[in-house]
Amino acid sequence: AQRVTQPEKLLSVFKGAPVELKCNYSYSGSPELFWYVQYSRQRLQLLLRHISRESIKGFTADLNKGETSFHLKKPFAQEEDSAMYYCALSGLQGAQKLVFGQGTRLTINP
Amino acid sequence: NAGVTQTPKFQVLKTGQSMTLQCAQDMNHNSMYWYRQDPGMGLRLIYYSASEGTTDKGEVPNGYNVSRLNKREFSLRLESAAPSQTSVYFCASGRGSDTQYFGPGTRLTVL
Repeated sequence: AQRVTQPEKLLSVFKGAPVELKCNYSYSGSPELFWYVQYSRQRLQLLLRHISRESIKGFTADLNKGETSFHLKKPFAQEEDSAMYYCALSGLQGAQKLVFGQGTRLTINP
Repeated sequence: NAGVTQTPKFQVLKTGQSMTLQCAQDMNHNSMYWYRQDPGMGLRLIYYSASEGTTDKGEVPNGYNVSRLNKREFSLRLESAAPSQTSVYFCASGRGSDTQYFGPGTRLTVL
């Protein structure tokens, strides 16, 4: 069964500190992993996906198949990073059926 | 481009009432999706449509029906609303395995 686990419901760090949002997944095949973000009063939107290997807004995420993890990292947190973050997995080609984690609410303190 | 639009934004129903949530996209996407978002549970897929003319069940389809009216529109119907269906509903669209684009959501309360 496909499953995504985000162990932290809430995460609070100070501005300028490093931040890491954890994501672990369970999937028998080769998954596609994503991070989606929802800022206050905005729509859910894609932050990054592992196949792109991009750094978006200073965030990076590396797929570790051995540990079945896809943790989101940023070396220096900014106040505008405060948001709800969702890790998601897709294993189906064609229509992309996303399985989401429970979400982590990140708060950056000034 | 408006992207993905949803109506209504808010709705309060009594148990047993029916309603249809509307969703439309103007990005010429083949695939459309309905999710529900509940506290502590993330988003869960209710139904999806891989292309015009097809619909399939997601993780939590019970109590819902969908219609892919045309390529642009994908509606979600609650035939007999229950308090357990109180949630925020999101519609999304995408090009198959590409990024999904989400609507603003509909906050539904069933009393």
